[in-house]
Amino acid sequence: DQQVKQNSPSLSVQEGRISILNCDYTNSMFDYFLWYKKYPAEGPTFLISISSIKDKNEDGRFTVFLNKSAKHLSLHIVPSQPGDSAVYFCAASSNSGYALNFGKGTSLLVTP
Amino acid sequence: DAGITQSPRHKVTETGTPVTLRCHQTENHRYMYWYRQDPGHGLRLIHYSYGVKDTDKGEVSDGYSVSRSKTEDFLLTLESATSSQTSVYFCATSSAGQVSHEQFFGPGTRLTVL
Repeated sequence: DQQVKQNSPSLSVQEGRISILNCDYTNSMFDYFLWYKKYPAEGPTFLISISSIKDKNEDGRFTVFLNKSAKHLSLHIVPSQPGDSAVYFCAASSNSGYALNFGKGTSLLVTP
Repeated sequence: DAGITQSPRHKVTETGTPVTLRCHQTENHRYMYWYRQDPGHGLRLIHYSYGVKDTDKGEVSDGYSVSRSKTEDFLLTLESATSSQTSVYFCATSSAGQVSHEQFFGPGTRLTVL
């Protein structure tokens, strides 16, 4: 049973606008949430993370928001650039395990 | 970049043959992982290692075995490959005490079982 869900398989955004990628989770024991970016034929690369004790983390153009009561997080990219076109994976982990639990990914296309 | 390499990068094999994929890291990370990526499933954990000779099963471990005789190498073996094991395989590493639980991924191995 998938514990991390990304319900939008794809998203298209114009260059310069905001991209918002969403993620939901079911396991209340998760204590860290991560976003990975993946280009074709490459491995995922870490983008940004957030602890469950925070509700926002910002790194340059990337901001992750966490709503624990709703078990929901989102990644905002502002402004979006064509180089941001990739598949974005949401992942979650808990201190009781070693694995990252991944969502199915959202393919972002940023058009000029 | 954690200096993770995977070999081979591509492999085509036949059903029933044994296959070994290799992951090599240069960062002296304690933890190593094997994931597979399939359309509609994201990345799923196959096996992981928390030290030399210390390994455990992940979510989709059936049909796979692993070995870790050195810190830098983590091998994934398909004893008798099946078509359902056609996938892209990613190795990942992480260091002890990594607060954000961040894992670093290799470039992947695309395996096709005919």
